[in-house]
Amino acid sequence: DPKIIQKPKYLVAVTGSEKILICEQYLGHNAMYWYRQSAKKPLEFMFSYSYQKLMDNQTASSRFQPQSSKKNHLDLQITALKPDDSATYFCASSPTGANSDYTFGSGTRLLVI
Amino acid sequence: GQQVQQSPASLVLQEGENAELQCNFSSTATQLQWFYQSPGGSLVSLLSNPSGTKHTGRLTSTTVTKERRSSLHISSSQTTDSGTYLCAITDSAGNKLTFGIGTRVLVRP
Repeated sequence: DPKIIQKPKYLVAVTGSEKILICEQYLGHNAMYWYRQSAKKPLEFMFSYSYQKLMDNQTASSRFQPQSSKKNHLDLQITALKPDDSATYFCASSPTGANSDYTFGSGTRLLVI
Repeated sequence: GQQVQQSPASLVLQEGENAELQCNFSSTATQLQWFYQSPGGSLVSLLSNPSGTKHTGRLTSTTVTKERRSSLHISSSQTTDSGTYLCAITDSAGNKLTFGIGTRVLVRP
C-alpha cells in the first residue's frame, strides 16, 4: 500500500485556471514537503511544513499556496496557472530532525496548456 | 545555497557489470540520501548515508564527509536497475533536501 498518496496522478489544466494537488501521508510523520521537477532540472524544493506550520518557502510566486487541513495532509493550490508551471509535483514527508529520511509520493504530473 | 553535483551524467552497462556513481556537495551535509527514480517517474529511497559505508542488497554507498563526497556502487547490474539515481543532502537545519540532477543508468541485457 502506498504510504504517501498523491492525487491526481495526471492533470491537464488550461492557462489561467486554478488546481489543487492532494497529498496524504500515512507514515505518522510530522514534516511534509512539496518539490517540483521540471524537464532537465533537479528536483526543486518548494515548501516545508512541520506540525502543520510553514517552516520554509522557496517559491517566489504567491500563486502557489500549501494548505494543511490535517496533520497528515498537505495540499498544494496553484492559481492563475501558466504553461511554465508544467512539471511533476512531488509530495514528501519525514520525521522531524536533521538526519531524518525522506519518503516521496509518486507525484502529480501537471500539464498547463 | 547548497549545490549537489553528480557524475557521470549517464552510464550504459551490460547486464552483470558493476557501476560507481559519484556525488559531490558544496557544504556540510547532516543527511545524505540516494534515491532511484524509475523511468515512470516515481522516487524510491535507496539508502541514507551521511558518513561511512552502508550496504543494502547490491548497493554500497561510501560517504567521506570531510571531502564532501559520496559514491554509490551497483554490483552485478540488472536490466531493472535502469533509471535515474539521485543524490540529495540536507544541511544542519534539516528543513529540506537539495538534489543533484542525477545519473541516468541504462542496463542492457
